[in-house]
Amino acid sequence: KAGVTQTPRYLIKTRGQQVTLSCSPISGHRSVSWYQQTPGQGLQFLFEYFSETQRNKGNFPGRFSGRQFSNSRSEMNVSTLELGDSALYLCASNGQASTDTQYFGPGTRLTVL
Amino acid sequence: GQQVMQIPQYQHVQEGEDFTTYCNSSTTLSNIQWYKQRPGGHPVFLIQLVKSGEVKKQKRLTFQFGEAKKNSSLHITATQTTDVGTYFCAGRGQGYSTLTFGKGTMLLVSP
Repeated sequence: KAGVTQTPRYLIKTRGQQVTLSCSPISGHRSVSWYQQTPGQGLQFLFEYFSETQRNKGNFPGRFSGRQFSNSRSEMNVSTLELGDSALYLCASNGQASTDTQYFGPGTRLTVL
Repeated sequence: GQQVMQIPQYQHVQEGEDFTTYCNSSTTLSNIQWYKQRPGGHPVFLIQLVKSGEVKKQKRLTFQFGEAKKNSSLHITATQTTDVGTYFCAGRGQGYSTLTFGKGTMLLVSP
């Protein structure tokens, strides 16, 4: 089975712009979670989608949003980018929400200038 | 909300020495998972513990889940340079709660 794929792998944006990141889970996995990883804060949970419904949401401002499509692919959007949004954004899929392990993709490295 | 604390933040050992990282949750967990992230890579699942007092071994790695299901540890015996990376614990609360990661322990092994 192919692993979790994320596009793009690297992205450079300027403050105030918006960005959309994409994640394709492992075939057959219906749950997709997004995490933000920074050196100071570690891995922070953004949101989880299961069968196109947001199941859980972390403590991030409304500028961070996401969605999941019927084929389980997911996108996350960040509007009005701030310097502090620079991070590695990781997507993870699992086969059964709340019980299975997280299979992480390679991440998207976002730099905000 | 649920918090997961992990110590130490960083440890540098000589090859052959043992290593232990500890994880403590502010709430009782339904399960705890451990991941390893190599430099420049992404977290990779190592193991999941579910039962109170559970101990699991993977070659030189030993994982324990506390009796109260609020703490866990990962012990590596006789470290090797291939063990270098950051080890994260991640705790799942009750029901369909989120998976909360500790901030990780970065392990450096010198030959």
